[in-house]
Amino acid sequence: AQRVTQPEKLLSVFKGAPVELKCNYSYSGSPELFWYVQYSRQRLQLLLRHISRESIKGFTADLNKGETSFHLKKPFAQEEDSAMYYCALTNAGGTSYGKLTFGQGTILTVHP
Amino acid sequence: EAGVAQSPRYKIIEKRQSVAFWCNPISGHATLYWYQQILGQGPKLLIQFQNNGVVDDSQLPKDRFSAERLKGVDSTLKIQPAKLEDSAVYLCASSWTGGANTEAFFGQGTRLTVV
Repeated sequence: AQRVTQPEKLLSVFKGAPVELKCNYSYSGSPELFWYVQYSRQRLQLLLRHISRESIKGFTADLNKGETSFHLKKPFAQEEDSAMYYCALTNAGGTSYGKLTFGQGTILTVHP
Repeated sequence: EAGVAQSPRYKIIEKRQSVAFWCNPISGHATLYWYQQILGQGPKLLIQFQNNGVVDDSQLPKDRFSAERLKGVDSTLKIQPAKLEDSAVYLCASSWTGGANTEAFFGQGTRLTVV
């Protein structure tokens, strides 16, 4: 069975401080990993995906298959980064058709 | 482009009543998903459609939940009869092809409270 674990429900940092949101997963196949974000009163939206190896809004995430982790990082947090963040995975192959398994989410608060 | 539309935004019903949610995906998106998000948890997939066919409904409580996607566009999710534990936000999402790397676009959700 596939599972995504985000060990921190709440994370608070000050503006300009580094931030790391942890994500660990268990999956027997070949997963694709994503980070989704939900800002206050907005809909859930994709932040970044592992396969793109991109940096979005200063955030990066590296897939570590040995540690089965996909932590989200940003060197200098901004107040507008305050939101709920979800780590999610799907099967890279087979017939999963993009079904997402989500973690429980981490609420990030960036203080001025 | 217009986003995924859901209605109603909020619904309060008594247990054992029935309720229906409607979703209009982004135009041209072949894949449509319904997720259930209970307070404090991440979204959980209930059912996935590819055009008007069901791809995955393994986590749908079929004794009380049903969903359809007529003509491969709009979709309706129904609960009958509702239980207290069905209180949650019901999210609809759509994507172009449903492949592993395809971005899912989410609606605003319908918040259901069962009393």
